Amino acid sequence: QSALTQPRSVSGSPGQSVTISCTGTTSDVGGYNYVSWYQQDPGKAPKLIIYDVNKRPSGVPDRFSGSKSGNTASLTVSGLQAEDESDYYCCSYAGIYTSWVFGGGTKLTVL
Amino acid sequence: QVQLVQSGVEVKEPGASVKISCKASGYTFSNYGINWVRQAPGQGLEWMGWISPYNGDTNNAQKFQGRVTMTTDTSTNTAQMELRSLRSDDTAVYYCARSINWDFDLWGRGTLVSVSS
Repeated sequence: QSALTQPRSVSGSPGQSVTISCTGTTSDVGGYNYVSWYQQDPGKAPKLIIYDVNKRPSGVPDRFSGSKSGNTASLTVSGLQAEDESDYYCCSYAGIYTSWVFGGGTKLTVL
Repeated sequence: QVQLVQSGVEVKEPGASVKISCKASGYTFSNYGINWVRQAPGQGLEWMGWISPYNGDTNNAQKFQGRVTMTTDTSTNTAQMELRSLRSDDTAVYYCARSINWDFDLWGRGTLVSVSS
């Protein structure tokens, strides 16, 4: 069982927006502004798409955005495109002893 | 080219040890931490630990303490992770991933470790 809770799957039609939630505790998501999100295609390594809750690395489309409220972080994908169909994982820093925890992953399907 | 290149597939019997390497290129190796993250078949990501190539400091997830050793060689820009006393549930793809702050911005392609008798 993963430390952070994500929905197993979400879906949306091209052009729509979807939001993936990531729920933790005050010891991880709620305690630090160090939430990151990763996109993983089948058989590939994860790719960083959001860091520090809401920052995008260079090259990541601005259709991807992140936010946080309390113990829950969210990833929103706007203007869905077929290429966004992938698995998405959240990750949070959880202090010096636990360090990093991941969510269980969410499969995004573009209908 | 900025990249992390990992060693190849490993097949091990229960109780054995495995050592995986991760060679960095295209950036200053000592300026970034190296993390190890694994993914069991059909499962999510699991952080195993971190090592600083700068000074050798490590921090391992409690689950793996006593069973994992992480090292780096700055002369070859290579990180290694050894996992001992392998069990069938250690079967996974093992990734190395670079970090400078609180995220993993560069990943290797992964090394499949299969544990079976």
